[in-house]
Amino acid sequence: GQSLEQPSEVTAVEGAIVQINCTYQTSGFYGLSWYQQHDGGAPTFLSYNALDGLEETGRFSSFLSRSDSYGYLLLQELQMKDSASYFCAVTISGNTPLVFGKGTRLSVIA
Amino acid sequence: NAGVTQTPKFRVLKTGQSMTLLCAQDMNHEYMYWYRQDPGMGLRLIHYSVGEGTTAKGEVPDGYNVSRLKKQNFLLGLESAAPSQTSVYFCASRLLTGEQYFGPGTRLTVT
Repeated sequence: GQSLEQPSEVTAVEGAIVQINCTYQTSGFYGLSWYQQHDGGAPTFLSYNALDGLEETGRFSSFLSRSDSYGYLLLQELQMKDSASYFCAVTISGNTPLVFGKGTRLSVIA
Repeated sequence: NAGVTQTPKFRVLKTGQSMTLLCAQDMNHEYMYWYRQDPGMGLRLIHYSVGEGTTAKGEVPDGYNVSRLKKQNFLLGLESAAPSQTSVYFCASRLLTGEQYFGPGTRLTVT
């Protein structure tokens, strides 16, 4: 079967840095993506890593290590509006649906 | 670019009624998906399509049917609604890679 593990909840202070980890065990692997979902909203695409290393997009960065079957999302200069759920997802192949983790609920506190 | 749109945004049905949810995307994506999300839970895949004229079952297909007659549209049907189908329904489309785009959702209540 396919499985993705990520922490269920994380709490961090406004202005700090937080890292949300994702480990995966899947039958194939093209890449790892991250999505953000605010309460009452739809998931929105944040980033996609196909190769090892760090991808930076503003305050958000995403890292992938294919050899360790591991990735993380790094959020810097946390703001209250970053409070949301974050999902990692693996692309196994073109015709196969993404496999999603169960999500990490991030709470940013003052 | 509107991205992925869904209609309706809200709907209340009585048990046994039927309805169709419409999803449309203007990004020329091959792959389209229907998910449901219950409160505090993750996404569960209902049905998906890898191209015009194709459909396949996901994790929770029972009680739902789909059609993809045109590349840009993906319809989700409930033939006889049940209270267990009360949920938020998201449509999504994606590129070959992992960039998946979601519609705003349809909030369905079955009484």
